[in-house]
Amino acid sequence: ETGVTQSPTHLIKTRGQQVTLRCSSQSGHNTVSWYQQALGQGPQFIFQYYREEENGRGNFPPRFSGLQFPNYSSELNVNALELDDSALYLCASSLRASGGVDTQYFGPGTRLTVL
Amino acid sequence: AQSVSQHNHHVILSEAASLELGCNYSYGGTVNLFWYVQYPGQHLQLLLKYFSGDPLVKGIKGFEAEFIKSKFSFNLRKPSVQWSDTAEYFCAVGSGSARQLTFGSGTQLTVLP
Repeated sequence: ETGVTQSPTHLIKTRGQQVTLRCSSQSGHNTVSWYQQALGQGPQFIFQYYREEENGRGNFPPRFSGLQFPNYSSELNVNALELDDSALYLCASSLRASGGVDTQYFGPGTRLTVL
Repeated sequence: AQSVSQHNHHVILSEAASLELGCNYSYGGTVNLFWYVQYPGQHLQLLLKYFSGDPLVKGIKGFEAEFIKSKFSFNLRKPSVQWSDTAEYFCAVGSGSARQLTFGSGTQLTVLP
Protein backbone atom coordinates (compact mmCIF):
# COMPACT_ATOMS: atom_id res chain seq x y z
CA GLU A 1 0.00 0.00 0.00
CA THR A 2 1.45 3.36 -1.04
CA GLY A 3 1.08 6.15 1.48
CA VAL A 4 0.40 9.82 0.91
CA THR A 5 3.28 11.63 -0.75
CA GLN A 6 3.87 15.36 -1.13
CA SER A 7 6.26 17.49 -3.14
CA PRO A 8 8.36 19.45 -2.77
CA THR A 9 9.64 18.87 0.76
CA HIS A 10 10.76 22.45 1.26
CA LEU A 11 10.15 25.65 -0.64
CA ILE A 12 11.31 29.23 -0.24
CA LYS A 13 9.40 32.05 -1.91
CA THR A 14 9.19 35.81 -1.63
CA ARG A 15 6.15 37.93 -0.89
CA GLY A 16 3.80 38.35 -3.83
CA GLN A 17 4.92 35.18 -5.60
CA GLN A 18 2.74 32.20 -6.38
CA VAL A 19 3.33 28.60 -5.30
CA THR A 20 1.99 25.16 -6.24
CA LEU A 21 2.19 22.21 -3.88
CA ARG A 22 1.44 18.65 -4.93
CA CYS A 23 -0.04 15.61 -3.26
CA SER A 24 -0.52 12.01 -4.29
CA SER A 25 -3.20 10.24 -2.33
CA GLN A 26 -2.93 6.81 -0.79
CA SER A 27 -3.94 4.05 -3.16
CA GLY A 28 -7.68 3.34 -3.00
CA HIS A 29 -8.51 6.79 -1.62
CA ASN A 30 -10.72 9.26 -3.51
CA THR A 31 -10.68 12.36 -1.30
CA VAL A 32 -7.93 14.84 -0.56
CA SER A 33 -7.91 17.46 2.19
CA TRP A 34 -5.35 20.20 2.69
CA TYR A 35 -4.30 21.68 6.02
CA GLN A 36 -2.00 24.51 7.09
CA GLN A 37 0.07 24.00 10.23
CA ALA A 38 1.74 27.09 11.59
CA LEU A 39 4.60 26.69 14.04
CA GLY A 40 3.39 25.58 17.45
CA GLN A 41 -0.20 25.08 16.36
CA GLY A 42 -2.44 22.28 15.22
CA PRO A 43 -3.28 21.88 11.54
CA GLN A 44 -6.06 24.11 10.16
CA PHE A 45 -8.41 22.90 7.44
CA ILE A 46 -8.02 24.74 4.13
CA PHE A 47 -10.29 22.75 1.79
CA GLN A 48 -11.20 19.30 0.55
CA TYR A 49 -11.54 17.84 -2.92
CA TYR A 50 -13.81 14.97 -3.85
CA ARG A 51 -14.68 13.91 -7.39
CA GLU A 52 -12.48 16.73 -8.69
CA GLU A 53 -14.59 19.41 -6.99
CA GLU A 54 -14.12 21.48 -3.88
CA ASN A 55 -16.20 19.78 -1.22
CA GLY A 56 -15.72 22.07 1.76
CA ARG A 57 -13.58 25.03 2.72
CA GLY A 58 -12.15 26.46 5.90
CA ASN A 59 -11.55 30.09 6.74
CA PHE A 60 -8.97 30.80 4.03
CA PRO A 61 -9.11 33.53 1.36
CA PRO A 62 -9.74 32.82 -2.33
CA ARG A 63 -6.04 33.17 -3.15
CA PHE A 64 -5.82 29.64 -1.77
CA SER A 65 -7.13 27.36 -4.50
CA GLY A 66 -6.80 23.77 -5.53
CA LEU A 67 -7.37 21.04 -8.03
CA GLN A 68 -7.99 17.34 -7.95
CA PHE A 69 -7.12 15.18 -10.93
CA PRO A 70 -8.81 12.02 -12.23
CA ASN A 71 -6.17 9.89 -10.52
CA TYR A 72 -7.19 11.60 -7.22
CA SER A 73 -3.90 13.47 -6.85
CA SER A 74 -4.21 17.12 -5.93
CA GLU A 75 -2.58 20.52 -6.07
CA LEU A 76 -2.73 23.44 -3.69
CA ASN A 77 -2.08 26.85 -5.23
CA VAL A 78 -1.43 29.99 -3.26
CA ASN A 79 -1.29 33.36 -5.03
CA ALA A 80 0.12 36.67 -3.79
CA LEU A 81 2.09 35.03 -1.00
CA GLU A 82 2.21 36.79 2.37
CA LEU A 83 4.69 36.34 5.20
CA ASP A 84 1.98 34.68 7.31
CA ASP A 85 1.65 31.94 4.70
CA SER A 86 4.89 30.47 6.01
CA ALA A 87 3.86 27.11 7.43
CA LEU A 88 3.83 23.36 6.96
CA TYR A 89 1.20 22.39 4.40
CA LEU A 90 -0.27 18.96 4.94
CA CYS A 91 -2.21 16.81 2.56
CA ALA A 92 -4.47 14.06 3.83
CA SER A 93 -6.26 11.43 1.80
CA SER A 94 -9.28 9.37 2.70
CA LEU A 95 -11.91 7.10 1.21
CA ARG A 96 -15.22 8.89 1.33
CA ALA A 97 -17.68 6.38 2.75
CA SER A 98 -21.45 6.48 2.37
CA GLY A 99 -21.86 6.02 6.10
CA GLY A 100 -20.39 9.44 6.73
CA VAL A 101 -17.24 8.33 8.46
CA ASP A 102 -13.82 9.06 7.02
CA THR A 103 -10.35 8.46 8.36
CA GLN A 104 -7.72 10.81 7.00
CA TYR A 105 -4.12 9.75 6.48
CA PHE A 106 -1.50 12.42 6.28
CA GLY A 107 1.52 12.98 4.12
CA PRO A 108 4.86 14.34 5.36
CA GLY A 109 4.03 17.92 4.40
CA THR A 110 5.67 20.72 2.45
CA ARG A 111 7.49 23.36 4.47
CA LEU A 112 6.87 26.75 2.83
CA THR A 113 8.93 29.77 3.86
CA VAL A 114 7.91 33.19 2.58
CA LEU A 115 10.57 35.91 2.79
CA ALA B 1 -17.86 26.84 14.92
CA GLN B 2 -16.39 23.81 16.59
CA SER B 3 -13.22 24.03 18.63
CA VAL B 4 -10.90 21.57 20.32
CA SER B 5 -8.99 22.31 23.51
CA GLN B 6 -5.91 20.52 24.71
CA HIS B 7 -5.09 22.04 28.05
CA ASN B 8 -1.68 20.46 28.53
CA HIS B 9 0.83 22.11 26.24
CA HIS B 10 3.88 20.23 27.48
CA VAL B 11 3.94 17.14 29.66
CA ILE B 12 7.14 15.63 31.05
CA LEU B 13 7.07 12.12 32.50
CA SER B 14 9.53 9.47 33.54
CA GLU B 15 9.41 6.06 31.90
CA ALA B 16 6.75 3.72 33.34
CA ALA B 17 4.63 6.63 34.55
CA SER B 18 0.97 6.72 33.58
CA LEU B 19 -0.26 9.22 31.02
CA GLU B 20 -3.50 11.08 30.58
CA LEU B 21 -3.82 13.88 28.02
CA GLY B 22 -6.96 15.97 28.09
CA CYS B 23 -9.09 16.85 25.08
CA ASN B 24 -12.36 18.77 25.12
CA TYR B 25 -14.40 19.81 22.14
CA SER B 26 -17.33 22.10 21.53
CA TYR B 27 -19.75 20.75 18.96
CA GLY B 28 -23.33 19.76 19.50
CA GLY B 29 -23.79 17.36 16.63
CA THR B 30 -22.47 13.93 15.81
CA VAL B 31 -18.71 13.89 15.89
CA ASN B 32 -15.93 11.55 15.01
CA LEU B 33 -12.96 11.78 17.34
CA PHE B 34 -9.32 11.13 16.65
CA TRP B 35 -5.92 11.20 18.27
CA TYR B 36 -2.94 11.68 15.99
CA VAL B 37 0.72 11.49 16.97
CA GLN B 38 3.72 13.17 15.39
CA TYR B 39 7.05 11.60 16.32
CA PRO B 40 10.17 13.75 15.86
CA GLY B 41 10.92 14.10 12.17
CA GLN B 42 7.91 12.08 11.09
CA HIS B 43 4.48 12.88 9.74
CA LEU B 44 1.16 12.78 11.54
CA GLN B 45 0.04 9.23 12.24
CA LEU B 46 -3.33 7.99 13.42
CA LEU B 47 -3.20 6.68 16.98
CA LEU B 48 -6.86 5.82 17.46
CA LYS B 49 -10.37 6.90 16.51
CA TYR B 50 -13.92 6.84 17.80
CA PHE B 51 -16.93 6.76 15.51
CA SER B 52 -19.64 5.02 17.53
CA GLY B 53 -20.25 2.14 19.91
CA ASP B 54 -18.03 1.35 22.88
CA PRO B 55 -16.78 4.70 24.24
CA LEU B 56 -13.50 3.13 25.32
CA VAL B 57 -11.32 2.89 22.26
CA LYS B 58 -8.01 1.07 22.01
CA GLY B 59 -5.34 2.18 19.61
CA ILE B 60 -1.82 1.30 18.63
CA LYS B 61 1.13 1.04 20.99
CA GLY B 62 -0.99 0.51 24.10
CA PHE B 63 -2.87 3.80 23.92
CA GLU B 64 -6.57 4.10 24.68
CA ALA B 65 -9.09 6.92 24.86
CA GLU B 66 -12.47 7.32 26.47
CA PHE B 67 -15.31 9.30 24.93
CA ILE B 68 -17.48 10.94 27.57
CA LYS B 69 -20.34 12.61 25.73
CA SER B 70 -21.68 14.48 28.74
CA LYS B 71 -18.30 16.12 29.29
CA PHE B 72 -17.49 16.64 25.59
CA SER B 73 -14.18 14.95 26.32
CA PHE B 74 -11.96 12.38 24.63
CA ASN B 75 -8.94 11.92 26.87
CA LEU B 76 -5.95 9.84 25.84
CA ARG B 77 -4.40 7.39 28.30
CA LYS B 78 -1.53 4.96 28.55
CA PRO B 79 -0.77 3.01 31.73
CA SER B 80 3.01 3.01 31.32
CA VAL B 81 4.87 5.31 28.93
CA GLN B 82 8.15 4.57 27.21
CA TRP B 83 10.93 6.85 26.03
CA SER B 84 9.80 6.12 22.46
CA ASP B 85 6.43 7.77 23.21
CA THR B 86 8.13 11.17 23.13
CA ALA B 87 6.15 13.03 20.49
CA GLU B 88 3.49 15.65 19.90
CA TYR B 89 -0.08 14.47 20.32
CA PHE B 90 -3.06 16.06 18.60
CA CYS B 91 -6.71 15.57 19.35
CA ALA B 92 -9.09 16.18 16.42
CA VAL B 93 -12.81 16.27 15.79
CA GLY B 94 -14.26 15.33 12.43
CA SER B 95 -17.46 17.11 11.47
CA GLY B 96 -19.20 19.05 8.74
CA SER B 97 -20.18 18.12 5.22
CA ALA B 98 -16.54 17.61 4.29
CA ARG B 99 -15.94 15.70 7.54
CA GLN B 100 -13.00 18.03 7.99
CA LEU B 101 -10.80 17.72 11.02
CA THR B 102 -10.59 20.45 13.63
CA PHE B 103 -7.40 20.01 15.63
CA GLY B 104 -6.36 21.07 19.07
CA SER B 105 -3.09 22.94 19.50
CA GLY B 106 -1.25 19.78 20.48
CA THR B 107 0.51 18.44 23.57
CA GLN B 108 4.24 17.86 23.51
CA LEU B 109 5.05 14.75 25.56
CA THR B 110 8.61 14.24 26.74
CA VAL B 111 9.43 10.93 28.39
CA LEU B 112 12.65 10.85 30.34
CA PRO B 113 14.59 7.57 30.34
